[in-house]
Amino acid sequence: GAGVSQSPSNKVTEKGKDVELRCDPISGHTALYWYRQSLGQGLEFLIYFQGNSAPDKSGLPSDRFSAERTGGSVSTLTIQRTQQEDSAVYLCASSLDANTEAFFGQGTRLTVV
Amino acid sequence: AQSVTQLGSHVSVSEGALVLLRCNYSSSVPPYLFWYVQYPNQGLQLLLKYTSAATLVKGINGFEAEFKKSETSFHLTKPSAHMSDAAEYFCAVSMNYGGSQGNLIFGKGTKLSVKP
Repeated sequence: GAGVSQSPSNKVTEKGKDVELRCDPISGHTALYWYRQSLGQGLEFLIYFQGNSAPDKSGLPSDRFSAERTGGSVSTLTIQRTQQEDSAVYLCASSLDANTEAFFGQGTRLTVV
Repeated sequence: AQSVTQLGSHVSVSEGALVLLRCNYSSSVPPYLFWYVQYPNQGLQLLLKYTSAATLVKGINGFEAEFKKSETSFHLTKPSAHMSDAAEYFCAVSMNYGGSQGNLIFGKGTKLSVKP
């Protein structure tokens, strides 16, 4: 596609529910990244995929967070048993490979009520 | 460990005035450094990056930044502010030497306001 696409753009969920956030990277981009942007913490790295494997998942804040990537393309970030502190904008980025510029999507705004 | 400090969470300038947004980094390895801009309800857009070539880096929209190793700084400047420059600006350092331009540590951001 023309750019990194994220869906949904907004998600409101009840505390305790599971949510899935989707990222469609730019076609042909092998590297994919997830970030979280919140008022208190700023922009935080969550996880990095190269192809379908995740060589760096050091930023995932707890075991409630997981991500996968299939077919070297679409990625899903799953948050189980959501908490209010999970409320944030989740940004996805992709790059041709790890050594080139990363392009960001517009993000998914998650609100946990 | 790498880190980035942006001085000033808010900066206000008049249209036509110099823009100076400050960024200092700490890195245990030669850093790759980046400036991103974020407009309201938008994703991040790369303004410019330093990857160990020329120390003065020119980016889009008339912005430039100078890598100063002795000062561990990478300040962003623009000679003349335009109303359309109003946005939030983020400085970032690559987590890994020599590579990944997507594994980044970001500063807290600086909101730039431009007064007419």
